[in-house]
Amino acid sequence: DSGVTQTPKHLITATGQRVTLRCSPRSGDLSVYWYQQSLDQGLQFLIQYYNGEERAKGNILERFSAQQFPDLHSELNLSSLELGDSALYFCASSVAPVAGTGNTIYFGEGSWLTVV
Amino acid sequence: DQQVKQNSPSLSVQEGRISILNCDYTNSMFDYFLWYKKYPAEGPTFLISISSIKDKNEDGRFTVFLNKSAKHLSLHIVPSQPGDSAVYFCAASAVTSGSRLTFGEGTQLTVNP
Repeated sequence: DSGVTQTPKHLITATGQRVTLRCSPRSGDLSVYWYQQSLDQGLQFLIQYYNGEERAKGNILERFSAQQFPDLHSELNLSSLELGDSALYFCASSVAPVAGTGNTIYFGEGSWLTVV
Repeated sequence: DQQVKQNSPSLSVQEGRISILNCDYTNSMFDYFLWYKKYPAEGPTFLISISSIKDKNEDGRFTVFLNKSAKHLSLHIVPSQPGDSAVYFCAASAVTSGSRLTFGEGTQLTVNP
């Protein structure tokens, strides 16, 4: 158990719909990351927040948005869903905002989204 | 543009032998490298990391080697155990990009009893 909690674990929804994925970081971690893993691709970085502020942005679509709340939990909002959005969405957390020795990035178990 | 590549999709070894997983990268700005292990239906689990100022880091049965001139790193598992069977991901980051990790495609390791 990494200490990073993601809900829901599985979600099936129709095209055009909107969903929200939730993440609670490890206790004490200020940085939250979102990654997407599609069937034909590796883990792709979407976005990072640190202590409530957006820190870095990756290949996140405009239909997707995220935020980190004062209690440090984060939500990833996916709207106007398309079939190609079906993927495993991982949340990760770390203490500090920059990767390096002593700042391990821990991953949650993922939220499996299926768009039908 | 795949900046981190794991060219072997799969590797099979006998229990007790050495497993060597390889990873190549193209971005010379990468200065921190990590290996994660992933079981089905679970998130990636951190295994070991190495900073670009080192060429070797060891933790128990796991050793990571970094060859900066070749832009190559490898993970050695000695001795391999059946419980090590999983997908192994290599990842890299650059201080200029914060904690954004760029992952390889993964290598499925199977350790046979």
